[in-house]
Amino acid sequence: GAVVSQHPSWVICKSGTSVKIECRSLDFQATTMFWYRQFPKQSLMLMATSNEGSKATYEQGVEKDKFLINHASLTLSTLTVTSAHPEDSSFYICSARGIPGQAPYEQYFGPGTRLTVT
Amino acid sequence: GIQVEQSPPDLILQEGANSTLRCNFSDSVNNLQWFHQNPWGQLINLFYIPSGTKQNGRLSATTVATERYSLLYISSSQTTDSGVYFCAVGGGSEKLVFGKGTKLTVNP
Repeated sequence: GAVVSQHPSWVICKSGTSVKIECRSLDFQATTMFWYRQFPKQSLMLMATSNEGSKATYEQGVEKDKFLINHASLTLSTLTVTSAHPEDSSFYICSARGIPGQAPYEQYFGPGTRLTVT
Repeated sequence: GIQVEQSPPDLILQEGANSTLRCNFSDSVNNLQWFHQNPWGQLINLFYIPSGTKQNGRLSATTVATERYSLLYISSSQTTDSGVYFCAVGGGSEKLVFGKGTKLTVNP
């Protein structure tokens, strides 16, 4: 099956600093990647849709200036949490699917990044 | 937007038992996926099944799109099947909407 990686797998940072998370599709190209957030014992909530070569589309209630998304190539999207605060502590997960008309048609997920802001 | 309901929310089984997990959705879909989230948080793709029936080993899934539900069957459950099972659906856009999940515990 298709493989999506994330880096780092966990990170601890101080309040006020910024953290960058990378999401890569390793064996397929993805024009669209997705960023989700998951709180303990809850479901996944879509934060934004990342489009290669264009601006990301954010879900209602997600601050685009706080969660900066860049999709620089067909295999890499990054999420930067700017001026992080303790309430930003969460499990962040990315996903990717193939170019429209090409496999994989379904979304494949990265292993997630656990962010703790102290 | 599309609403997704999963049932039951929790399920406890003895090893070897069979189970059925259900996913109801509120509108037409062109994408439906089942996932297993392991204890480390990784979502593992089980099925891409917007309609029809598929089987993979001890697992099988059926989606009846006209009646807006999907079922995931687990046979001869093993302790390694424990975790949270999510159903996620997509309508006209590429986005997926997740249900709240079914937490499965398989005891030895």
